[in-house]
Amino acid sequence: GAGVSQTPSNKVTEKGKYVELRCDPISGHTALYWYRQSLGQGPEFLIYFQGTGAADDSGLPNDRFFAVRPEGSVSTLKIQRTERGDSAVYLCASSLTARAGSYNEQFFGPGTRLTVL
Amino acid sequence: AQKVTQAQTEISVVEKEDVTLDCVYETRDTTYYLFWYKQPPSGELVFLIRRNSFDEQNEISGRYSWNFQKSTSSFNFTITASQVVDSAVYFCALSEAFGNEKLTFGTGTRLTIIP
Repeated sequence: GAGVSQTPSNKVTEKGKYVELRCDPISGHTALYWYRQSLGQGPEFLIYFQGTGAADDSGLPNDRFFAVRPEGSVSTLKIQRTERGDSAVYLCASSLTARAGSYNEQFFGPGTRLTVL
Repeated sequence: AQKVTQAQTEISVVEKEDVTLDCVYETRDTTYYLFWYKQPPSGELVFLIRRNSFDEQNEISGRYSWNFQKSTSSFNFTITASQVVDSAVYFCALSEAFGNEKLTFGTGTRLTIIP
């Protein structure tokens, strides 16, 4: 079956521009996570959705970052007024659900490499 | 707050040697999960293992084995008889067990197997 897909695979933009990164989770997965991986670092949590709602956005670095998941499936990460420090690989992961007492594996997409010039 | 430390930034070994990747974690949770992921040059994260904090039994899967020691907050990963295909960046990660399963990753260890 299809895994998690992310588009675009690469995005080059200029400082100050607005970008949108898209994540298509595995069909039926209600939990969706965004992570950011800077060069030489491990992925860092940004935001977690359970269904349509953002259950935890504590990892978003500032108010330039925003994410939506209006129908509980596809999610879009939006970055306003991009800065060079936003350059990283943005990873999306989905899982069946996040439920107390049981674990559901997160399946990662291939990522979107964002370069801000 | 949760934290994962992978002190080894880079390791190189000759093919067929054994190699151990270290992972030390910090958490206030009494129940949590520990993970190892592999990230080959292609970039995708490949899940290797998940361990529940209640289960301290060591695990072996082929050439891979994991040593979980709660007393020292460590979850080390050993590759036996390493192969060139094992070359990758390996990440240790931690998540709480209830509800939000966001992962806290270490900084990774880049493993190079020299043929």
